[in-house]
Amino acid sequence: AQSVTQLDSQVPVFEEAPVELRCNYSSSVSVYLFWYVQYPNQGLQLLLKYLSGSTLVKGINGFEAEFNKSQTSFHLRKPSVHISDTAEYFCAVAFTGFQKLVFGTGTRLLVSP
Amino acid sequence: KAGVTQTPRYLIKTRGQQVTLSCSPISGHRSVSWYQQTPGQGLQFLFEYFSETQRNKGNFPGRFSGRQFSNSRSEMNVSTLELGDSALYLCASSFGGGRGSPKNTGELFFGEGSRLTVL
Repeated sequence: AQSVTQLDSQVPVFEEAPVELRCNYSSSVSVYLFWYVQYPNQGLQLLLKYLSGSTLVKGINGFEAEFNKSQTSFHLRKPSVHISDTAEYFCAVAFTGFQKLVFGTGTRLLVSP
Repeated sequence: KAGVTQTPRYLIKTRGQQVTLSCSPISGHRSVSWYQQTPGQGLQFLFEYFSETQRNKGNFPGRFSGRQFSNSRSEMNVSTLELGDSALYLCASSFGGGRGSPKNTGELFFGEGSRLTVL
């Protein structure tokens, strides 16, 4: 079965420190990969996506992610986080077209001063 | 450009009742998807509509249904509500049209959701 695993349910970090949020997927077919962010009481907003091409993808708000096919991973990174980055982050995979996404369980990023 | 609009934002129902949620996609978007978000199950795909036709369906019981109108607006209905139906229901829109379509960037645009509480 196709699945997405976010290994960390919560990641605490100090402001201006680097952070990595991990995402692994399981699939025997080509996939398209996404990271979304959800702020409290809001919907989801796309951070970045990998459809094809360069495996290093840059997104909004200084985030980037690297697609690693051999390790079936798509980890999200930011070199220096801000308080405003506190939110829940979801990794998602599209297996059969863009409209149906399989989401990971989410990682809550907590940035403290 | 207006975003995805979902109504109502909050609602409270009792077991056995039914509920209808509405979603207005971004202008020009023809695909509307619905997701259920709960603390226990996370985000789960309900169904997706494109040009008034259901193209994809998740693993939810028949109590969950939806439809799309000619103006791309969509509604979802849950009948015979159960306590476990309490959730945030998110609607997302996109151009649709398949991966080959130049307008299809793969991005879903989400609304703020309708939070349903079943008592």
